Formats: sequence, structure tokens, C-alpha cells
Amino acid sequence: LAKTTQPISMDSYEGQEVNITCSHNNIATNDYITWYQQFPSQGPRFIIQGYKTKVTNEVASLFIPADRKSSTLSLPRVSLSDTAVYYCLVASGEDSNYQLIWGAGTKLIIKP
Amino acid sequence: GAVVSQHPSWVICKSGTSVKIECRSLDFQATTMFWYRQFPKQSLMLMATSNEGSKATYEQGVEKDKFLINHASLTLSTLTVTSAHPEDSSFYICSARDRDRVYVGEQFFGPGTRLTVL
Repeated sequence: LAKTTQPISMDSYEGQEVNITCSHNNIATNDYITWYQQFPSQGPRFIIQGYKTKVTNEVASLFIPADRKSSTLSLPRVSLSDTAVYYCLVASGEDSNYQLIWGAGTKLIIKP
Repeated sequence: GAVVSQHPSWVICKSGTSVKIECRSLDFQATTMFWYRQFPKQSLMLMATSNEGSKATYEQGVEKDKFLINHASLTLSTLTVTSAHPEDSSFYICSARDRDRVYVGEQFFGPGTRLTVL
């Protein structure tokens, strides 16, 4: 079963690029990698999902090396409002049989 | 699109009473909904997975008789905390999977319900 490991916390400054890495050494062939953002007392919000190589959307990029044992969420030019907890999720399954492995979360603090 | 609501957003109850939390997908059909609990400064803990029209699948260590889950339609799932005690106080969050989306990791979360048991 995949286990996910993330740094507990990180800090950066406005305008910088932030990269948060998640390790998932035992990822299975059918697992996908998803990242979420959570603000205090709110439900998580989907950021990005990928299987391999690179995925980019309007808010972030996700880099997954060929061995898929890790993934890196990249946030370009962060602002104060990006201060939040970021979770990686390794997930697979269908119908009623799912495997969801959540990371412990990385608390990102953006400073002015 | 892909909005999930939860009701109530917060609830305070006395020990021994039962509390029902509703989770609705407002603009999509959710064949699968997930229930999580989250303690302060901790990660999400999956409690159970519910599929429309069938019994929920509970994670190891979660008492199914205490946390009753019903997923009667493609847009509504409920979690009932029976005989609540102070240790059940937590932030409960539901998420839903849009049946038209392929990947199980893409879940849409509700805003959460803060339960405080006195």
C-alpha cells in the first residue's frame, strides 16, 4: 500500500515559485496523484491531478518523474492568499473499491 | 460547477444525543461520496465511502453503528453520529465524486461541519 510523505511546513515570499514534494515509494500502477489546498475551517479544494510526466493548469504544475515515486506541486509566483495546507493524495479504484492515501499535509506560509 | 454543500455548518449538542449531517452535490450526480473527520492541525481521516443505493464501506476502526451513513440518492448522503460524546467533537467533511469524471482522486469537498459535543 502506498504511503505518502510530505514536509510538515514550508515558507516562502510573495512572487516566488514554491515547490512542494510528496514521496510515495510504493505507488501502484493504477494510482493517480492529486493535490489539494485547504484553508482553516474549510473543505479541501482540488488543485491538480496527474499520472506521469508533467501536468499544468491555470494555477499550478505537477511534475512526476518516470519512476512515479514522488511528485512535485509547483505554485508559480505565490501570493499571501496561497498560505494554506497542501495535501497530496494517491488514489486508485473504481465502483466501491477505492484506495485513498492522504499525506499529512504541508503548511505553506507566504510572507510579504 | 461541482459544488458540494453541507448542513449544518456547525452544531453543538449534548452528550448522548444524535446529530445528522447532510451532504449534497448541487450541480452534478455523485455515485460515490466520502466522509472524513479532521482533528485540529491534522490530516484528513477517511471514515467511510458510500455508494448510492448500497451500504457504506467503513474504514478500519470506524464504528459503523455509531456513524450511520445513508446515500439514498445521487445527490444526497447523510452521516448520523449516534449517542455523541465529547470525543466525537471534530470537523466532519464530505466529498463527492462526479460520476462523469474518470479519476477517483478528483473529489469535490463540502465546506465541513464543526461538531461540538458538550
